[in-house]
This record gives sequence, structure tokens and C-alpha cells, in this order.
Amino acid sequence: GIQVEQSPPDLILQEGANSTLRCNFSDSVNNLQWFHQNPWGQLINLFYIPSGTKQNGRLSATTVATERYSLLYISSSQTTDSGVYFCAVDGGGATNKLIFGTGTLLAVQP
Amino acid sequence: GAGVSQSPRYKVAKRGQDVALRCDPISGHVSLFWYQQALGQGPEFLTYFQNEAQLDKSGLPSDRFFAERPEGSVSTLKIQRTQQEDSAVYLCASSLASFQTSGNTIYFGEGSWLTVV
Repeated sequence: GIQVEQSPPDLILQEGANSTLRCNFSDSVNNLQWFHQNPWGQLINLFYIPSGTKQNGRLSATTVATERYSLLYISSSQTTDSGVYFCAVDGGGATNKLIFGTGTLLAVQP
Repeated sequence: GAGVSQSPRYKVAKRGQDVALRCDPISGHVSLFWYQQALGQGPEFLTYFQNEAQLDKSGLPSDRFFAERPEGSVSTLKIQRTQQEDSAVYLCASSLASFQTSGNTIYFGEGSWLTVV
């Protein structure tokens, strides 16, 4: 099956710093999403981005489908950005399941 | 409600006990998913419903796991004869349509935290 790897596995930032999180996937996908899981376990959808670039406030994401990777940019980080960031892709074919990556644990210090 | 609601939020079960976890999806959402998340891991797919039809149950780890959505809204995940390896967070999610529809957003509940002792 499709493999999804994320880097770095963990990251510590000072408030105000910028960061780039990477997601590599092993096969072509029709669906790629980025999620933030807060310290209380709530998973929030950030972007649906199977290709191209999107921006939402301090967050932006770019997917280069032909090279099988996606990047999530966080600018001017805040303590509320802390948590785990997951990339997830569809399992291929007609499936509706998402395959989640290994996650990046982000800690933003004041 | 405005979001996906799950109950109970926390459940401690003795090994061998049966448990039932409930999910109330967002009203009108056709697709409903169950995922299992072990500590320190990403969520893993269990099963998928489109309305009342269970279209994919390939992720259910054993025949002790059973899910239903009889009227196409509320869903229940049942685990029989629980074992310690079943300890995890069980996440329910819903979306308006199938993922084959472009730009579809999936909404997750807060999860049911199951500990088997």
C-alpha cells in the first residue's frame, strides 16, 4: 500500500519563528489533506490540497503531485500552533479511506 | 450539534468486556468513518459508511470489531471481548459526500479514549 512519511518527526520553535513541514508519499494520489491535532486530541482539517498552493492566514501549503511531496508552511508561529501535524492521502482507487503519515510533533515556546 | 459528537469520551473496560462507542455525525453528512489511533501514532482506518451502507471494513482488526449505521446517521462501533491491545482512541469522522468529490472536508470528533485493563 501507499506509504506516507513526514519530516521532521518533532520540532521545537520559539514564538514568532517560521517552519516548514514535509510530507512524502509513495504513489500518485487524488486526495491529500493536512490536519492539526491539538494537545487535547482534536483533529482539525487545515487544507485539502492534492495539488497546487493554498493559503489560510499564517498557514500555507504546497503539493507537487508529480514529485510526490507536500509542504506545510507555518509563519509567525504561536503557542496555539503546538500539537501534531498530520498529512493524509487517499488509499488509491475508489477507496474513501485516508492513510495518515507519521506526524510532526510541534512545540512552540513563548 | 455543530460538530461530530462521540460518547463516551473515556471508557475503562476490563479485559473480556464488551464495549460500544457511539458517533453522532454532522447532520446531513453522507460519509462516516471510524479510525483507531494508538498512543504516539497516526490514525488508522477501520471502516467507512456511505449512508447506511458499510462500503469498506477492510481496516477492522478482527471479527471482534463490528460497526453499524442502521439509519444512515448515528453509528456504533462495538468491540467484543476486549483485549489490552484494543486500548486506543477511537475517532469518528464525517463528510458531506464521498472523497471522490473535489474539495470535500472531513470533520473529526474528539474521540473515545478506551483503556482495557
